[in-house]
Amino acid sequence: SQTIHQWPATLVQPVGSPLSLECTVEGTSNPNLYWYRQAAGRGLQLLFYSVGIGQISSEVPQNLSASRPQDRQFILSSKKLLLSDSGFYLCAWTRLAGATDTQYFGPGTRLTVL
Amino acid sequence: AQSVAQPEDQVNVAEGNPLTVKCTYSVSGNPYLFWYVQYPNRGLQFLLKYITGDNLVKGSYGFEAEFNKSQTSFHLKKPSALVSDSALYFCAVRDGNTNAGKSTFGDGTTLTVKP
Repeated sequence: SQTIHQWPATLVQPVGSPLSLECTVEGTSNPNLYWYRQAAGRGLQLLFYSVGIGQISSEVPQNLSASRPQDRQFILSSKKLLLSDSGFYLCAWTRLAGATDTQYFGPGTRLTVL
Repeated sequence: AQSVAQPEDQVNVAEGNPLTVKCTYSVSGNPYLFWYVQYPNRGLQFLLKYITGDNLVKGSYGFEAEFNKSQTSFHLKKPSALVSDSALYFCAVRDGNTNAGKSTFGDGTTLTVKP
């Protein structure tokens, strides 16, 4: 069966510090991978998605970047965090097959920028 | 473009009563529709989806949803609510003709089931 991991689970960082959040998927190959941010426990904002190694699409211009160095690894980064980067970050995956596939989510990372 | 609306921020029901969480959508192509549930500080869990076929879809934990093409709705329902159903519920839509795999999520509806 497939599983998706995110770490760390929680993170408290000062403004201006760098960020690296990691997401890995097990039990599948060539997944579509997604990063979402959820603010204040409400709607999800799609930040990045990737259809393959080194292929990243950015949905919203902002202070963050994403990379996919391996097939089942997706990393969210920032060089200098802002207060507005605080939120709950969720990684998700689907099979590459397309639009009918269910999106499965990781447990999330709670980021607090102080 | 695709969009989804959850018109109610909050739904309150008594345990044992039926519940409905509303969702309407807009897509230019074929709609693929999904419901997820989120418990505090957790990721989203898949409940059910409509892709094609029978308009009534049954999912996890006794939930079901009815696809209504004329009303562009996909309301989530359960005949008898449990206190443990209290959570945040998200509806999501995907346009089957474009943007494969990219979903648009509603803002969520908080369901509270009171004993």
